[in-house]
Amino acid sequence: AQSVSQHNHHVILSEAASLELGCNYSYGGTVNLFWYVQYPGQHLQLLLKYFSGDPLVKGIKGFEAEFIKSKFSFNLRKPSVQWSDTAEYFCAVKGGLRGTYKYIFGTGTRLKVLA
Amino acid sequence: GAGVSQSPSNKVTEKGKDVELRCDPISGHTALYWYRQSLGQGLEFLIYFQGNSAPDKSGLPSDRFSAERTGGSVSTLTIQRTQQEDSAVYLCASSVETGTSNQPQHFGDGTRLSIL
Repeated sequence: AQSVSQHNHHVILSEAASLELGCNYSYGGTVNLFWYVQYPGQHLQLLLKYFSGDPLVKGIKGFEAEFIKSKFSFNLRKPSVQWSDTAEYFCAVKGGLRGTYKYIFGTGTRLKVLA
Repeated sequence: GAGVSQSPSNKVTEKGKDVELRCDPISGHTALYWYRQSLGQGLEFLIYFQGNSAPDKSGLPSDRFSAERTGGSVSTLTIQRTQQEDSAVYLCASSVETGTSNQPQHFGDGTRLSIL
C-alpha cells in the first residue's frame, strides 16, 4: 500500500542546532515529493518539492531535502534552526505520472525550537 | 491575491445534525481536494475534484459524507447525521491542474469541526 512514514513525531532543538527530519515512502513508480510546513495559527504551505533532476532540492528559509531513491527517503534538513522554525512539518508523496492526483501525507513532525 | 477560503472556520454542532463545509478555491484552479486532519493524524485524503467531476471518492469515510462542486469553483462538503468521530479539521486545497505533476497544492485555513 502507498504510505508515508515520518519517524519523529516531536522534535525539540535549541536555536542554531542542526535539523534532520526523516521521511520514508512506499510507492511504486515515479514519484513527486513534497514537504509542507504549518506554522502556529497558519495554513499549510509548501516548503519545497522534488519532481526530477538534482535530488538535492532547496526550499524557502534555508531548508533543503535530499531524495534518495534507493532508500525511498526524502529527509528534510536545515543546518541551523531558528526559533521561528517552530512548526509542524509534513512530508507528502504523489505519483509522478501525468494525471496522477492523489497526495499521501505523513502524520507530521512537530518541531519546537527553544530560544 | 486571494488564497483558498474555507468557511466556517469553526463549527460546533450536536451529534446527529448535518453540517456543510464550504471551500472557495483560488480563481483558475481546476483541481480541488478535501482532506481531514484528526488529532495526531496526518492529512487523510477524502475526495478530489477536477472541474466539477470527482473521479475519486474512495477517501470518503462513509455514505454520510458527500461533496459537490459547482461552476468549477466553490465546493461543499456535507456530513449527514454527524458522529463524534467526525470531529476533526477539514482542509481544502486547490491547484492549477494535475495534468502535469509540478503544480503544488495551496491550502485553506481549514474548518475545525467539533461534534458534541
